[in-house]
Amino acid sequence: QKEVEQNSGPLSVPEGAIASLNCTYSDRGSQSFFWYRQYSGKSPELIMFIYSNGDKEDGRFTAQLNKASQYVSLLIRDSQPSDSATYLCAVNMYGNNDMRFGAGTRLTVKP
Amino acid sequence: EAGVTQSPTHLIKTRGQQATLRCSPISGHTSVYWYQQALGLGLQFLLWYDEGEERNRGNFPPRFSGRQFPNYSSELNVNALELEDSALYLCASSLGGAEQFFGPGTRLTVL
Repeated sequence: QKEVEQNSGPLSVPEGAIASLNCTYSDRGSQSFFWYRQYSGKSPELIMFIYSNGDKEDGRFTAQLNKASQYVSLLIRDSQPSDSATYLCAVNMYGNNDMRFGAGTRLTVKP
Repeated sequence: EAGVTQSPTHLIKTRGQQATLRCSPISGHTSVYWYQQALGLGLQFLLWYDEGEERNRGNFPPRFSGRQFPNYSSELNVNALELEDSALYLCASSLGGAEQFFGPGTRLTVL
């Protein structure tokens, strides 16, 4: 089992729709969870982090965490073409600042 | 506030040579992380430095090494370059092991 798993996509949604990105992780003791956005040819950009079970909202983005199910998700409301990118899920594992990344989900928002 | 900076932007080497990549963290950040992102693949954790010490390394051979200087900047050295070392090398910094912020990366090409 991979440490952090994401569907590679591509995920395609129409402009204005909700995009839902999912991630599972293997280490039950993980405490910190992050979502990064990476445009083609660019470096990852932090967009959300979540530490507690439940939802965390920031503008059009909502991160959801369920530690019992070892599952974290990112919802993007009112998706825009500029949201088209690869979204990386990252988990701080093993309690030692060891950040593990998923392979990323490529999102395309069609006008 | 200046972000993470990396140099050079591009580096072209031939097989068997050595490459040196440099990173300056965000001011005040004491931790520096190095990642390798090969084309079409996810981020692979290479090394983590904090307060001048190597804290953890990923599953890479010993020819990947580095160091952190007293001003918290860092250097990644790759010896005996192989063709498969061609990748984008990303540096990230953090304060206290929380969110990591990435630099623009160094694109290493091994011919």
